Amino acid sequence: SAVISQKPSRDICQRGTSLTIQCQVDSQVTMMFWYRQQPGQSLTLIATANQGSEATYESGFVIDKFPISRPNLTFSTLTVSNMSPEDSSIYLCSVDEGWPSGNTIYFGEGSWLTVV
Amino acid sequence: AQSVTQLDSHVPVFEEAPVELRCNYSSSVSVYLFWYVQYPNQGLQLLLKYLSGSTLVKGINGFEAEFNKSQTSFHLRKPSVHISDTAEYFCAVSLSGNMLTFGGGTRLMVKP
Repeated sequence: SAVISQKPSRDICQRGTSLTIQCQVDSQVTMMFWYRQQPGQSLTLIATANQGSEATYESGFVIDKFPISRPNLTFSTLTVSNMSPEDSSIYLCSVDEGWPSGNTIYFGEGSWLTVV
Repeated sequence: AQSVTQLDSHVPVFEEAPVELRCNYSSSVSVYLFWYVQYPNQGLQLLLKYLSGSTLVKGINGFEAEFNKSQTSFHLRKPSVHISDTAEYFCAVSLSGNMLTFGGGTRLMVKP
C-alpha cells in the first residue's frame, strides 16, 4: 500500500496566521484528497488535488481559505489561511492507489492543528 | 447524493465478546463500501472494503463485514474483541472509489 507522510504532525498556531501542510506519497498517484476532522467529528472532504490544474473544492470550502498545490504526482500541500480557533482540526491527506489494486483509499497520519 | 449512517455512536463491550458495528447507506446508484479504524491520536487505517463480488468481506485484525444490498447495510463484525480494538470506527461509501463520504463514527470501547 502507498505510504503517506504528512508534515507537520502537530502544531499550535496563533489566530490570524497561516500554516501549510505537506503530503508526500512514496509512489505516483493520480488522485490526492484533503479531509478535515473537527474535534469529536467525522471526516469531511475539503478538496481534490489535481496535478496540473486547480483543486476541486467541496461545498463549504473555498480556495482563498484553503489553497492547495499539486506540483507533481507524489506531493501536495494544503494551506489553512487566516486561522481561527474554529480551524482547530485534524487535516488528513489521502490517496487513491488506483490500478492494479484499484479503488483503495489510504490516509496519512494527519496533521493535528490547534489554533489559539 | 449518497449518505452514511452509523447507528451507534458508542458501543461498550467486554473483552472476548462478539461485536457488531452497524452501518447503513443511502445511494441511488451502486457504491463502494469501506470501514476504517482510527486508534487514539492516530490517523485512519483501512480495515476492509467491498468493491464487488462476494458480499462477505474479510479484513485485518479479524474483522469482517457483510454487504446487504436489499437492506443497504454494511455491518462490521468481530467474533471476539480485544482491549486493543478500542478505537473509533468509520464506515464510508464512494461512488467512484476515491472520494469518500463518511458516517459519523462509532466509538468501540472494550472493557476488561
